Amino acid sequence: NAGVTQTPKFRVLKTGQSMTLLCAQDMNHEYMYWYRQDPGMGLRLIHYSVGEGTTAKGEVPDGYNVSRLKKQNFLLGLESAAPSQTSVYFCASSYQGDNYGYTFGSGTRLTVV
Amino acid sequence: QKEVEQDPGPLSVPEGAIVSLNCTYSNSAFQYFMWYRQYSRKGPELLMYTYSSGNKEDGRFTAQVDKSSKYISLFIRDSQPSDSATYLCATNTDKLIFGTGTRLQVFP
Repeated sequence: NAGVTQTPKFRVLKTGQSMTLLCAQDMNHEYMYWYRQDPGMGLRLIHYSVGEGTTAKGEVPDGYNVSRLKKQNFLLGLESAAPSQTSVYFCASSYQGDNYGYTFGSGTRLTVV
Repeated sequence: QKEVEQDPGPLSVPEGAIVSLNCTYSNSAFQYFMWYRQYSRKGPELLMYTYSSGNKEDGRFTAQVDKSSKYISLFIRDSQPSDSATYLCATNTDKLIFGTGTRLQVFP
């Protein structure tokens, strides 16, 4: 099925460890986004990309890095995980910006202990 | 002030009820308005979107935008237990801005 695929689905990290979350889309979308979702906070944009080779900061970028080496993939990295990064992470993509709505992946549940 | 405000609920209604979900927004420049539905442990999925003011209907769902009062609504008629989910409103500048979501439970 076409859509946005996130891996892994679950992960437990120790404080200070690093990891990379992978997002892949097969809809030929130009724009891709990483959000985190926390209770009472809603969806907050971490980083986004408007095309292959481009990245930009969102609302809460600190502690995260991203890369978009291929159009279909958008990677989110945590270099030194902190308990405050415990969250559910969602990747999304869209064809041309946000006017037509985003397609979301099913999320990655990350716990940092 | 948040750009999009949404009552978090939870909202609990009996099957068959009419449900009204609401959001307010702060920036009169917003033009596109969307409603997303998110089932537990799933990603949000686009339910409806409207441009500018007016109503849009899709089956049991009606989205309404009142730009004069900066108010957006989603009405669900004949609500079903399968409608139990979190509903997020969204609007845009150069990126989507989401409300915090309203959790809806429809009980049989």
